[in-house]
Amino acid sequence: DVKVTQSSRYLVKRTGEKVFLECVQDMDHENMFWYRQDPGLGLRLIYFSYDVKMKEKGDIPEGYSVSREKKERFSLILESASTNQTSMYLCASSRPEAGGRYEQYFGPGTRLTVT
Amino acid sequence: AQSVTQPDIHITVSEGASLELRCNYSYGATPYLFWYVQSPGQGLQLLLKYFSGDTLVQGIKGFEAEFKRSQSSFNLRKPSVHWSDAAEYFCAVGAASYGKLTFGQGTILTVHP
Repeated sequence: DVKVTQSSRYLVKRTGEKVFLECVQDMDHENMFWYRQDPGLGLRLIYFSYDVKMKEKGDIPEGYSVSREKKERFSLILESASTNQTSMYLCASSRPEAGGRYEQYFGPGTRLTVT
Repeated sequence: AQSVTQPDIHITVSEGASLELRCNYSYGATPYLFWYVQSPGQGLQLLLKYFSGDTLVQGIKGFEAEFKRSQSSFNLRKPSVHWSDAAEYFCAVGAASYGKLTFGQGTILTVHP
């Protein structure tokens, strides 16, 4: 079974803090993704990575950065947390396939509150 | 650019009743379509997927979905809902590059006993 783990289930940070969200997958997947989930908006893609040290912006990258130094680990960084970044953050991974053929496997999510 | 619309934000059904969750997509080519379910406090779990072939797709937990190209729809159905089906359901379409998915807004399902 594919397993995607996220470092924290719940996180509370203060405005202006630098925040790291960690994601690890154990299936040797090339592709990894970070989403944020907000009520009524579904999942929106923040960043994705298709290989080590490779990254691409998603639909809402502003205020975020990512790091992928190892294949199994994909980190989301909030450079200076703001209250509008309070959300549920979901990490996912998938095999590489042009055409979007392969499903993504999701971690349990991190609920981040910025006060 | 592709898009997915789930017209129903919240649906309430009685246990044992049938269920249909609607999904409409916009995509220029043959779509890869997915339904995911998210139980409270959990990540997303794949229910079923459509790539090609038979337009009626069977998934886990007794769910099925039908791809209708003429209507750009991929509706999810279950003949008899169980209380444990209460969750949020997401429809998604796969993009041509890097396996990106575009998700709908989600439909929250409440099941009354």
